[in-house]
Amino acid sequence: KNQVEQSPQSLIILEGKNCTLQCNYTVSPFSNLRWYKQDTGRGPVSLTIMTFSENTKSNGRYTATLDADTKQSSLHITASQLSDSASYICVVTGTNRDDKIIFGKGTRLHILP
Amino acid sequence: DADVTQTPRNRITKTGKRIMLECSQTKGHDRMYWYRQDPGLGLRLIYYSFDVKDINKGEISDGYSVSRQAQAKFSLSLESAIPNQTALYFCATSDWGVKETQYFGPGTRLLVL
Repeated sequence: KNQVEQSPQSLIILEGKNCTLQCNYTVSPFSNLRWYKQDTGRGPVSLTIMTFSENTKSNGRYTATLDADTKQSSLHITASQLSDSASYICVVTGTNRDDKIIFGKGTRLHILP
Repeated sequence: DADVTQTPRNRITKTGKRIMLECSQTKGHDRMYWYRQDPGLGLRLIYYSFDVKDINKGEISDGYSVSRQAQAKFSLSLESAIPNQTALYFCATSDWGVKETQYFGPGTRLLVL
């Protein structure tokens, strides 16, 4: 069964610190891997998208990496801000038309002042 | 104006009632999706549509039905609402291609008493 596992489930860090969120997946072959940010009670918003041939993608203070050999991705947040408090969701799409878009359960990040 | 809108934003209904959640998009995308989100479970796909004549069940379609009235409109119906359908419902749209990104609506919070 295709799966996307994220860790940690939740994370608390101080404002200004860096952090890294992990995503392991079993979807293979896959078309793309995306990271979304979801503020409480709102719809997810795309941060980065990578195809299987890309191994890094940045969006401001967010940098995603992808290792297709080990089927792992990470999202690194630099110099965290209070507004980074949110859930971060890893999403993987398979290459077949009928492949569902597989969502991880997310990592809940809390930034403390 | 928002690219993906959902109505209503909040709804309280009673067990056994039929309700409809509506989604409209102005992005011109062919693909539309309905998800539900429950605490700790992440997003789960209910139905998806690749164009007006192509509608497919997702992983949790039982108890739900959909209608794709036009490219821009995709509605979700709960034929006979039950309490375990209490959740946050999201509509999403996407273009197609290896780097397709989903754009989510603001969500509808549904409470079934």
